[in-house]
Amino acid sequence: ETGVTQSPTHLIKTRGQQVTLRCSSQSGHNTVSWYQQALGQGPQFIFQYYREEENGRGNFPPRFSGLQFPNYSSELNVNALELDDSALYLCASSLERFLETQYFGPGTRLLVL
Amino acid sequence: QQQVKQSPQSLIVQKGGISIINCAYENTAFDYFPWYQQFPGKGPALLIAIRPDVSEKKEGRFTISFNKSAKQFSLHIMDSQPGDSATYFCAASISLNFGNEKLTFGTGTRLTIIP
Repeated sequence: ETGVTQSPTHLIKTRGQQVTLRCSSQSGHNTVSWYQQALGQGPQFIFQYYREEENGRGNFPPRFSGLQFPNYSSELNVNALELDDSALYLCASSLERFLETQYFGPGTRLLVL
Repeated sequence: QQQVKQSPQSLIVQKGGISIINCAYENTAFDYFPWYQQFPGKGPALLIAIRPDVSEKKEGRFTISFNKSAKQFSLHIMDSQPGDSATYFCAASISLNFGNEKLTFGTGTRLTIIP
């Protein structure tokens, strides 16, 4: 098991609602990346936070936003949920953006009805 | 635009056989190529990775073969075991002065090892 934890594990929302997902990074890691994994697909990069600043963003609309706290834990917020937002949301923490040190959490399964 | 193409989508191999998964990339700026293993209900876990300065890297039963001119790389699992049954993703990234850019993943291969 990695030291990356995510909450909640599962979530059901309705279209138009807002959701907040949480990620606790591995001890000593200062970088958190968020990915969206649709069913049967590879993870897609949403954005990365490095030392509390957004450091790179994928092709996702502004209703996907995030935050990193001084203890390097992170939140992913999604506003105005759409049916296509149904997916597994993964966070991964690493040390100083080095992918060799990156560990993924187990993910949050979001279902939008 | 899918920058990393992975095949096959699914693969069934007998126990003790060799499993081979292939990936091709488009962006020549990619210089870090990892493979991830994902079990149901878990996040992806780094299995093995390679940089383009070598053509092959081996760790235990897992080997990456890399062909820079063809922009292709593959994962070979020797002596495949039922415990290897999982979904495998190739990925690619660009190195920065300090760290890496985002990972771009392939679409995944569901590997099943049968007795």
